[in-house]
Amino acid sequence: AQSVAQPEDQVNVAEGNPLTVKCTYSVSGNPYLFWYVQYPNRGLQFLLKYITGDNLVKGSYGFEAEFNKSQTSFHLKKPSALVSDSALYFCAVRDMGGSGAGSYQLTFGKGTKLSVIP
Amino acid sequence: EAEVAQSPRYKITEKSQAVAFWCDPISGHATLYWYRQILGQGPELLVQFQDESVVDDSQLPKDRFSAERLKGVDSTLKIQPAELGDSAMYLCASSFGQNVDEQYFGPGTRLTVT
Repeated sequence: AQSVAQPEDQVNVAEGNPLTVKCTYSVSGNPYLFWYVQYPNRGLQFLLKYITGDNLVKGSYGFEAEFNKSQTSFHLKKPSALVSDSALYFCAVRDMGGSGAGSYQLTFGKGTKLSVIP
Repeated sequence: EAEVAQSPRYKITEKSQAVAFWCDPISGHATLYWYRQILGQGPELLVQFQDESVVDDSQLPKDRFSAERLKGVDSTLKIQPAELGDSAMYLCASSFGQNVDEQYFGPGTRLTVT
């Protein structure tokens, strides 16, 4: 079974400082990795994905993520944090669905709460 | 920008009662997903549709949960009877395809079972 781990429940960073939200994964084949953000009482919003190619993936709102195959990591980064970035961040990995019918489902980590302090 | 619509946003029900949630995906999205998100955890897939067909319902508690997408557009998720442990956020998402396309999520329905 494929899985994703987010080792930090919470990350605090000062406004204007760089931020990193960590994610590690475990897959049997090629990893397809995603980051989503969830604001309070809202659904998840897609930030970026890694399928293949350049290890540095750029996404929405100035976020980027670095794929590292040897460390099985896909950390989310932003050069300068904003207070408005405060939210819950989820890493996800695509795996084969349980039905074996060729479905592809996302397996999510438990989330990391990012707090940007003014 | 097109969005996934869900209703109701909040639902309080007593245990043993029936409850239903509705989802309207982004127009043109063939794949629709229902997730359950328990507080402090990531979403977990309950059921996945491709058009009107169920592709994966391996995690759906079929003794009490049912889902349908009769015309391949909007979808309904039903729980009967509801149990205290069903209290959670129920999220609907859609995607153009089912491979590596990103999923677009609705705002969710927060269910409280008393």
